Amino acid sequence: DSGVTQTPKHLITATGQRVTLRCSPRSGDLSVYWYQQSLDQGLQFLIQYYNGEERAKGNILERFSAQQFPDLHSELNLSSLELGDSALYFCASSVWGSNTGELFFGEGSRLTVL
Amino acid sequence: GQQLNQSPQSMFIQEGEDVSMNCTSSSIFNTWLWYKQEPGEGPVLLIALYKAGELTSNGRLTAQFGITRKDSFLNISASIPSDVGIYFCAGQGNNNDMRFGAGTRLTVKP
Repeated sequence: DSGVTQTPKHLITATGQRVTLRCSPRSGDLSVYWYQQSLDQGLQFLIQYYNGEERAKGNILERFSAQQFPDLHSELNLSSLELGDSALYFCASSVWGSNTGELFFGEGSRLTVL
Repeated sequence: GQQLNQSPQSMFIQEGEDVSMNCTSSSIFNTWLWYKQEPGEGPVLLIALYKAGELTSNGRLTAQFGITRKDSFLNISASIPSDVGIYFCAGQGNNNDMRFGAGTRLTVKP
């Protein structure tokens, strides 16, 4: 158990819909990262937050947005969903936002868009 | 953005064999890390490297941070069935994001 909690574990929805994925980082971790993993693909970096502020941005679509709240949990919002958005979405947390290395990953939220 | 090229994409080996995989980048990284992902789980850190030239071991695993800071390798010696999984390299640069390679899928035949 990494200490990172993601909900929901599984989500099935239709094209055009909007979903919100939630992440609770490890206790004490200030930084949260979101990654997308499509079938048999690597981890695509989406976005990083540190103590409530956006710290780095990757290949995140404009239809996607995220935020980190004062209690440090984070939400990833995916809107106008397309079939290609079906993937595993991982949240990870780390102690600091700088180059400290280790990320602790949740078990992921599997999104299926039909 | 920064690109990580990880190879090989997949490996099928016999139990007891040694394994070697590597990662190269077009950009310099300050930190190189190797993660392992098992089915249904998130990646778990195996080894972290923080200095160019650093060679670090974790049991049967050995990894090195390349002198140019643009590459890293991971070796697994005397593989066992539980080594099965996807191995990812990751690099962290000055802009704080963590980029991952596409992964090496390892299959170990008993």
